[in-house]
Amino acid sequence: DGGITQSPKYLFRKEGQNVTLSCEQNLNHDAMYWYRQDPGQGLRLIYYSQIVNDFQKGDIAEGYSVSREKKESFPLTVTSAQKNPTAFYLCASSNTPGGAQETQYFGPGTRLLVL
Amino acid sequence: QKEVEQDPGPLSVPEGAIVSLNCTYSNSAFQYFMWYRQYSRKGPELLMYTYSSGNKEDGRFTAQVDKSSKYISLFIRDSQPSDSATYLCAMREGGSEKLVFGKGMKLTVNP
Repeated sequence: DGGITQSPKYLFRKEGQNVTLSCEQNLNHDAMYWYRQDPGQGLRLIYYSQIVNDFQKGDIAEGYSVSREKKESFPLTVTSAQKNPTAFYLCASSNTPGGAQETQYFGPGTRLLVL
Repeated sequence: QKEVEQDPGPLSVPEGAIVSLNCTYSNSAFQYFMWYRQYSRKGPELLMYTYSSGNKEDGRFTAQVDKSSKYISLFIRDSQPSDSATYLCAMREGGSEKLVFGKGMKLTVNP
């Protein structure tokens, strides 16, 4: 069964704590993305990666970090520097990034809440 | 002015109605246009994908792009309660992997 998995479904963060959200894909896609979704705000790009060991900042990268050590995996760490982390986090992947047929497919999301 | 504008609604219609969802944009370099459907607490799923101007039909769904007016639409015919979801428009420039999303329109189809 091909797809994108995200875990956990819900995550609680204490003040000053770093937390890591998992994203795995078995679609053999080169590119992976992290978005944040807030009510009434739409999706905003945090980080993206086109190939292993390379990634670029999106529009709202401050307070977040990523790694891309394997093609299948693109974990996102929400650091203590992110002062308003409560949101729905979505991971996506795509084939042929920037190409004519490129489309992004999304995982089920992780809801992060601050205690 | 935001790059992509989408009325967030909400929109409530009776079952069987024709639904029209719209987005406007300001960046004339956008070439690829998408509509995603997102059920509550789920990830978005790709519904329609179009390139440049024109129409594309898939079952009860029709996507229209008017690049001269910088305006895209999604029409849903014979709407069903299962169509109740948030619909997001998205678009990107040619050669770019970065999508720009509208805020999403919440649609409820009442039986």
